[in-house]
Amino acid sequence: SYVLTQPPSVSVAPGQTATITCGGNNIGSKSVHWYQQKPGQAPVLVVYDDSDRPSGIPERFSGSNSGDTATLTISRVEAGDEADFYCQVWDSSRGNVFGTGTKVTVL
Amino acid sequence: QVQLVESGGGVVQPGKSLRLSCAASGFTFSTYDMHWVRQAPGKGLEWLAISSYDGSHKYYAESVKGRFIVSRDNSKNTLYLEINSLRADDTALYYCAKNRRSSMVQGVIWVALDSWGQGTLVTVSS
Repeated sequence: SYVLTQPPSVSVAPGQTATITCGGNNIGSKSVHWYQQKPGQAPVLVVYDDSDRPSGIPERFSGSNSGDTATLTISRVEAGDEADFYCQVWDSSRGNVFGTGTKVTVL
Repeated sequence: QVQLVESGGGVVQPGKSLRLSCAASGFTFSTYDMHWVRQAPGKGLEWLAISSYDGSHKYYAESVKGRFIVSRDNSKNTLYLEINSLRADDTALYYCAKNRRSSMVQGVIWVALDSWGQGTLVTVSS
């Protein structure tokens, strides 16, 4: 079965850059999507197809994908970015698969 | 604007069945594949099922195959999830979500989920 592994937590100071990884076997051959979920709220799509942003999502959110690791980068981090982040791909044997999730804490 | 409103959750005894609903508005529901995703308390997201735009194709996570049934009524702009033989580990917040792109091809298209409801809570307890 296909597994997506994320670090449980990432801490970053305001104004700095947060990097969240999503590891999976040959994930570079798949399209990766990223979701932000703030406490008590539904997930929100922030990056799709590796690096595209939906309308309304700040340019500070960017994504990349190569080899066995996809990455979500949040530049100039703000207090309001504090949330859980999940990567997601489609796998031919499992359907949609979500990563284990990363809690981003703004110091 | 897109709106998805789930309902039908509650406290249910183990072994019972439950049907969840997701009322959609603000987009042409009948042209979008739709998903169900759940989140157990304090846990991550788990994808459950997808229904094609016309309900003719359905796919399930292995963990729920045979117990969960996804369906839709395009005349009512509503997606459903029937959960049978409820177990304690089905306790979760259940979300419906919309595909980012519309499609009317045979089968389903696997793209990002760009709109989510607020979820309906199912608690399985005796």
